[in-house]
Amino acid sequence: EPEVTQTPSHQVTQMGQEVILRCVPISNHLYFYWYRQILGQKVEFLVSFYNNEISEKSEIFDDQFSVERPDGSNFTLKIRSTKLEDSAMYFCASSATATSGNTIYFGEGSWLTVV
Amino acid sequence: KQEVTQIPAALSVPEGENLVLNCSFTDSAIYNLQWFRQDPGKGLTSLLLIQSSQREQTSGRLNASLDKSSGRSTLYIAASQPGDSATYLCAVPSYQAGTALIFGKGTTLSVSS
Repeated sequence: EPEVTQTPSHQVTQMGQEVILRCVPISNHLYFYWYRQILGQKVEFLVSFYNNEISEKSEIFDDQFSVERPDGSNFTLKIRSTKLEDSAMYFCASSATATSGNTIYFGEGSWLTVV
Repeated sequence: KQEVTQIPAALSVPEGENLVLNCSFTDSAIYNLQWFRQDPGKGLTSLLLIQSSQREQTSGRLNASLDKSSGRSTLYIAASQPGDSATYLCAVPSYQAGTALIFGKGTTLSVSS
C-alpha cells in the first residue's frame, strides 16, 4: 500500500539551529500538509501546499517556518531558528484532492527535540 | 472558530465489549468528518471518512455516524479486541472549504484480554 515517508524519525538540535524535515508524499497525490503534535496535546495544522504554493497556513506557521517542494517527490519543512517550544512530533500528510473530499494519509512523523 | 471535543478522554473495557466514542464540533458547516487511529509514538491512520451528505459509514467492526445539525459524531466499535487499543481522533475541516483539519484531543482506548 502506498505510504507517506518521513525522515529523520528523530532529530535533536540546539536552540537557534536550522532544521529541515523531509517527506515523500504518495506519488499521485496533489495536496501536501504539515501538522505537529506537542507531547500530550492535540494534533495541530501548520500548512497545506498545492500546485507549488501555500494554500492555507495557521497562526503557528510564522516567518520561522517555510515549505518547499524541491523536486517531483520531496516535500520539506524548514524551521529557520529553532526554539525550545518547537519540540514536537511533525507529521507530513498528503491527499489526492483537497481534504474536503478525500482521505488524508499521514506519515509516521519526525520527532524534533530542541535543547 | 471551529473547535472539536472528544469524550471520554480515556476508556478501559474488557475484550468483546461494544463501545462508543463521542466527538462534537462547534461549526456544523462542514464538508466531512474523519476518524483516525493513532498508536503510541506513531502516525495517524485514517479509519473512516463521512461526507456531510452521509449519516453513517462502516468499515468492518467500525461504524461512524454524523449528525451535522447537532454537531456530533460517534464511532462505534463492535466486539472490541486488545489490538483496538490506541488513541482515536476525530477531525473536521477548519471551515467549509478549508484544507486544514482541526483535531480533537482524542479518546485513549485500552482493551484488556
